[in-house]
Amino acid sequence: EDQVTQSPEALRLQEGESSSLNCSYTVSGLRGLFWYRQDPGKGPEFLFTLYSAGEEKEKERLKATLTKKESFLHITAPKPEDSATYLCAVQALQGAQKLVFGQGTRLTINP
Amino acid sequence: GAVVSQHPSWVICKSGTSVKIECRSLDFQATTMFWYRQFPKQSLMLMATSNEGSKATYEQGVEKDKFLINHASLTLSTLTVTSAHPEDSSFYICSASRPRWTNTGELFFGEGSRLTVL
Repeated sequence: EDQVTQSPEALRLQEGESSSLNCSYTVSGLRGLFWYRQDPGKGPEFLFTLYSAGEEKEKERLKATLTKKESFLHITAPKPEDSATYLCAVQALQGAQKLVFGQGTRLTINP
Repeated sequence: GAVVSQHPSWVICKSGTSVKIECRSLDFQATTMFWYRQFPKQSLMLMATSNEGSKATYEQGVEKDKFLINHASLTLSTLTVTSAHPEDSSFYICSASRPRWTNTGELFFGEGSRLTVL
């Protein structure tokens, strides 16, 4: 069974304090690993898709990396507007293109 | 970028009534759409996979007779919560993927629909 575990569950940082969020996964053949941002009461907003170990992608203050067992979302010099829940999900090669989500990391950036 | 639209964004209904939620892909044709359910401070749980022109595939534990899914066209899928009860109150989110030939594998989500059953 495909599984995704995210840590920490919640993280509080000061503005400008860099950190990383972890996503550990087990999947029967990885089609892709996805990172989404979700604000309260909203649907997830797509950030990145990573397809193979060693791949990295960047967007503004965010950088996502992928190994065969986990992915990291690095946040550099965060701002209060980066506060959100960050969701990691995997998509398996077999079957439909459904996503299996982790429980998310609630990130709060204090000014 | 792709846009997926849901309607209504929130709905309040009485116990025993049925509620329909629409999910539309606005700028691409989606052969497959997904319906998720999210409880407060929890992650998204897949309910069913909706395929255009065929029956939906439900995840284990999801009652197909309670959560009716129709995917009548390449841009529209509907979720009907039948005989809703307070325990059905939740945040329902749909997603749609581009056709496989684009090879993006990306899934775009709607804004979600909050259902409150009194």
